[in-house]
Amino acid sequence: QLRLQESGSGLVKPSQTLSLTCAVSGGSINTDNYSWSWIRQPPGKGLEWIGCIYHSGSTYYNPSLKSRVTMSVDRSRNQFSLKLSSVTAADTAVYYCARGFPDSARWPYFDYWGQGTLVTGSS
Amino acid sequence: QSVLTQPPSVSGAPGQRVTISCTGSSSNIGTGYDVHWYQQLPGTAPKLLIYGNTNRPSGVPDRFSGSKSGTSASLAITGLQAEDEADYYCQSYDSSLSGLVFGGGTKLTVL
Repeated sequence: QLRLQESGSGLVKPSQTLSLTCAVSGGSINTDNYSWSWIRQPPGKGLEWIGCIYHSGSTYYNPSLKSRVTMSVDRSRNQFSLKLSSVTAADTAVYYCARGFPDSARWPYFDYWGQGTLVTGSS
Repeated sequence: QSVLTQPPSVSGAPGQRVTISCTGSSSNIGTGYDVHWYQQLPGTAPKLLIYGNTNRPSGVPDRFSGSKSGTSASLAITGLQAEDEADYYCQSYDSSLSGLVFGGGTKLTVL
């Protein structure tokens, strides 16, 4: 059974960089077709896709966040990471990592999710 | 404000049938991009409920079904149970925004 587990800083000061890692167990990140995404959910609000990465290193980012997002993959550790720069209070959210499976147009839907981790942008 | 519009809330009594709509446009659902649905129980991560418009992952009861027509999609839940009380989200791709998008979510209350 695939398992994803987020870890990283829970409190980030404004203007600093949020850093999260998603450890994947029960399966390899180095698999064709699958993508690996970050999705966030502000308290009491809906879901927002941040971006995804493939084991090759190819990335797709939400255009609204693209200027601040960097995603990377570490195949040797079977994990992938998110960096979000210039954090503000508006970035306060539960951050989920998820595995993406391609739909008919090759865009992913999310079949496995981590439990999520709350990140607060505050001094 | 999401490009996929869902009703904020729906409700139904146990045993009843409810539907949740997801209305898009010509840059997403209307273009033919697939719609997927997720169930989020309170305090938990979302769970895949329907993929590729109509398909249920293994383990999802057949009380849940999805459909799509034109620029909209729908999730139907029959034989409503107390455990179905949750938030439901649709998801697709939008070519104008060049990214994956979620609906705003619908809170289902079982009366």
